[in-house]
Amino acid sequence: GESVGLHLPTLSVQEGDNSIINCAYSNSASDYFIWYKQESGKGPQFIIDIRSNMDKRQGQRVTVLLNKTVKHLSLQIAATQPGDSAVYFCAEGASGNTPLVFGKGTRLSVIA
Amino acid sequence: DAGITQSPRYKITETGRQVTLMCHQTWSHSYMFWYRQDLGHGLRLIYYSAAADITDKGEVPDGYVVSRSKTENFPLTLESATRSQTSVYFCASSGNFAGNYGYTFGSGTRLTVV
Repeated sequence: GESVGLHLPTLSVQEGDNSIINCAYSNSASDYFIWYKQESGKGPQFIIDIRSNMDKRQGQRVTVLLNKTVKHLSLQIAATQPGDSAVYFCAEGASGNTPLVFGKGTRLSVIA
Repeated sequence: DAGITQSPRYKITETGRQVTLMCHQTWSHSYMFWYRQDLGHGLRLIYYSAAADITDKGEVPDGYVVSRSKTENFPLTLESATRSQTSVYFCASSGNFAGNYGYTFGSGTRLTVV
């Protein structure tokens, strides 16, 4: 979910378990959402995106769910691996008229 | 990230000095962005550019200057660096605001102002 104060929320999961990372977005006009992964010392990398005319989209080991009613987005990672350890954050955009707005991120820590 | 490069990778500068961070992309993307990333704040937009010679302020533009004389380059200048500008700076590019597959980010410049 979104960070509170100065510390990123952290999700710790056992290797092989499924992970669910949540994001609350603020703009009801947002119609495009992206999940990014950021490994230590690197720039953010695109994972998966979804448009507001969908409520679910699947990729390889990842699924994004969108609930527009409560303005909530989640990223599900199946069979979490050590290489999934990173900071994950969501981004929202509105009809391509303004720059994407990024959430503050959640740190995923995978326990081997 | 192949196609978008930032330099330098690390920079230490003194308060009051001018410093320029470079960003170069090879995709001919129209849009380019500068973000700063600080713990507790996530990615905050400093400036962006929709095309050569077109730039706009983002959320935190004070103390920064940008230019875009060529599509592929988007340098960010701190005219008189302050300690509050110590941060990791990311450049990104995209074909449009929303991006198909979002924005592509560089590897970042870690700037320390002492």
